[in-house]
Amino acid sequence: NAGVTQTPKFQVLKTGQSMTLQCAQDMNHNSMYWYRQDPGMGLRLIYYSASEGTTDKGEVPNGYNVSRLNKREFSLRLESAAPSQTSVYFCASSAYTGVGGELFFGEGSRLTVL
Amino acid sequence: QQQVKQSPQSLIVQKGGISIINCAYENTAFDYFPWYQQFPGKGPALLIAIRPDVSEKKEGRFTISFNKSAKQFSLHIMDSQPGDSATYFCAASALRGTYKYIFGTGTRLKVLA
Repeated sequence: NAGVTQTPKFQVLKTGQSMTLQCAQDMNHNSMYWYRQDPGMGLRLIYYSASEGTTDKGEVPNGYNVSRLNKREFSLRLESAAPSQTSVYFCASSAYTGVGGELFFGEGSRLTVL
Repeated sequence: QQQVKQSPQSLIVQKGGISIINCAYENTAFDYFPWYQQFPGKGPALLIAIRPDVSEKKEGRFTISFNKSAKQFSLHIMDSQPGDSATYFCAASALRGTYKYIFGTGTRLKVLA
C-alpha cells in the first residue's frame, strides 16, 4: 500500500538549473498539494489542485509551476532554481473536496540549490 | 489573518509528564483544526482533529482543547513517552471549498526517558 510516492528523495542543483519533482498517489484522492518545509517556518503551501484539471496558488507560489497530469499525479517544477528554494518538499493528497479532509503526505524530497 | 501561531518552538518533557502545545488563529472562518505528528525523515501524519462545535476531543493520551472565543486551541499529551518525541504541527482549514490548510510553525518535542 504505497499511499503518496515522491521522487526523487534527494537532489542537488546549481543555481539556474531546472528540475521537476514527481508525486503520485494510489488512493483515488481528488485533491493534491505541494508544501515546502523550512526550519522555523512550518509547512507552507506552494500550489494545490482541488480536482483533476484544476490548479491554484498557495502561500508561496513564486518560482514554481505545477501540472496535474491526471487524477494520480501532480508534479512541481522549478524552472530556474535559486538558493532560496533549498528546502524539503512534501506532496500530499486528500479524499474530500470540502472542509475536514485528512491530508496524506509523502516522505518528502530534500532539495539543495547551490 | 491567515496565520496560525504555534508555541513553544521546542519542548522537553520528562517521561510520564504532560506535554502542552498551543496554537492561536485570527480567521474566524476556520472550522477544522487538525494536529499532525512528524517523525524525522518522514512526512507529517494526522494525529487528532477537532471541529469548533466541541470544546474538547480526546483520543487515548492525546487531547485537543478548543476555546472558540479566544481563538485558541491546544494539544495535551498525557503520560508522555519517548516514542512521542517528534515535531507537532497544528493546522486550520480555510473557508469551505478552498481546500487549503494553514499550518503552524511546528513544535519539536523531546521526551526524556
